[in-house]
Amino acid sequence: QKEVEQDPGPLSVPEGAIVSLNCTYSNSAFQYFMWYRQYSRKGPELLMYTYSSGNKEDGRFTAQVDKSSKYISLFIRDSQPSDSATYLCAIPRGYSSASKIIFGSGTRLSIRP
Amino acid sequence: DVKVTQSSRYLVKRTGEKVFLECVQDMDHENMFWYRQDPGLGLRLIYFSYDVKMKEKGDIPEGYSVSREKKERFSLILESASTNQTSMYLCASRSGWILAGTYEQYFGPGTRLTVT
Repeated sequence: QKEVEQDPGPLSVPEGAIVSLNCTYSNSAFQYFMWYRQYSRKGPELLMYTYSSGNKEDGRFTAQVDKSSKYISLFIRDSQPSDSATYLCAIPRGYSSASKIIFGSGTRLSIRP
Repeated sequence: DVKVTQSSRYLVKRTGEKVFLECVQDMDHENMFWYRQDPGLGLRLIYFSYDVKMKEKGDIPEGYSVSREKKERFSLILESASTNQTSMYLCASRSGWILAGTYEQYFGPGTRLTVT
């Protein structure tokens, strides 16, 4: 079983829709959870990270963690064509920037104008 | 606004050639990483370095080596390129601590390497 699983998509939604991107993980000891966005022909960029359970909001983006079911989600409100990208969930193995990070395989998202 | 640069965007090499991929960061980060990204497999860590001249193997180091002679520069070397090393190679640099809210990470734009 992979440590982090992510549906590869592709996911296509109309502009303005609420998007839900999801990952599951296997190790209940994980404490921090990250989301990256990767535009075509670019490297990933860190969108946000969240600790343990609960929600974290940043503009139109909300990261949610449900530790009881080992499920993490990224919600995008009022989706825009500029949100079209591949979104990767990721879990660091430790708190330091030297810690390894386990990446999901990414979900390709397309927002239709 | 340049943060992490990689020496080439696209590279085509022949089987058996020695290949050098270079990465430079301008943020004085202590940690640097090399990943490869393949469809369906996500990002896989090849090597990382937490200080000058220090290196650690990642999850898939076979067939690769690295060099970090200066803090800002981290090189990935394919000793004898093979077709199964055709991939997107991404360099990243990181600094800070998650708990302190000082965590920073930036990726380069990637090098798409084709080995024929």
